[in-house]
Amino acid sequence: ETGVTQSPTHLIKTRGQQVTLRCSSQSGHNTVSWYQQALGQGPQFIFQYYREEENGRGNFPPRFSGLQFPNYSSELNVNALELDDSALYLCASSSPDAVGRQFFGPGTRLTVL
Amino acid sequence: KQEVTQIPAALSVPEGENLVLNCSFTDSAIYNLQWFRQDPGKGLTSLLLIQSSQREQTSGRLNASLDKSSGRSTLYIAASQPGDSATYLCAVLRFSSGSARQLTFGSGTQLTVLP
Repeated sequence: ETGVTQSPTHLIKTRGQQVTLRCSSQSGHNTVSWYQQALGQGPQFIFQYYREEENGRGNFPPRFSGLQFPNYSSELNVNALELDDSALYLCASSSPDAVGRQFFGPGTRLTVL
Repeated sequence: KQEVTQIPAALSVPEGENLVLNCSFTDSAIYNLQWFRQDPGKGLTSLLLIQSSQREQTSGRLNASLDKSSGRSTLYIAASQPGDSATYLCAVLRFSSGSARQLTFGSGTQLTVLP
């Protein structure tokens, strides 16, 4: 069984640029959630995709957007990057079962200069 | 708004000691509570998951308890080892806007086990 994978591992961008982060969900999982983790903090919920539709969103501005594809992989797009967007971006996949366990990928470290 | 607090923020103990990490949450309407381990710069590894109807879960040297009515959970680590050094995060799962099941995390406890 393949776990959750994310790419790229690290990324450096400058203010104002746009970035796309990618996530492949675990086999059999149709739900993907994205989280942002600033240094020294716990992860913060960005949004969740279920069967290609966004079905929940945290307190993040519209310049954070996403997609989910028919194979349930997902992208996180961030426009007009700001310095405060520097963080570890984590993707988690899950199945809509009674347990509700989310499985996390290794993350993408984004640095905005 | 759900808030999760973890105490202490950092803990340093000698090898072999038993220890307890604490987590509290403000809204008892949770689906489950999970404890994660995070090594520096890495993703999250799930340690234990307690369903809202359960009181505790055990895995090896780890035991987690849940008291939903008081909004508290503890993670007990027995006979600590240097390899246990990491940040431990507590998170509660709840339904957010729409139908999403959203994790709300504490800021973590950074544990150092000294050889």
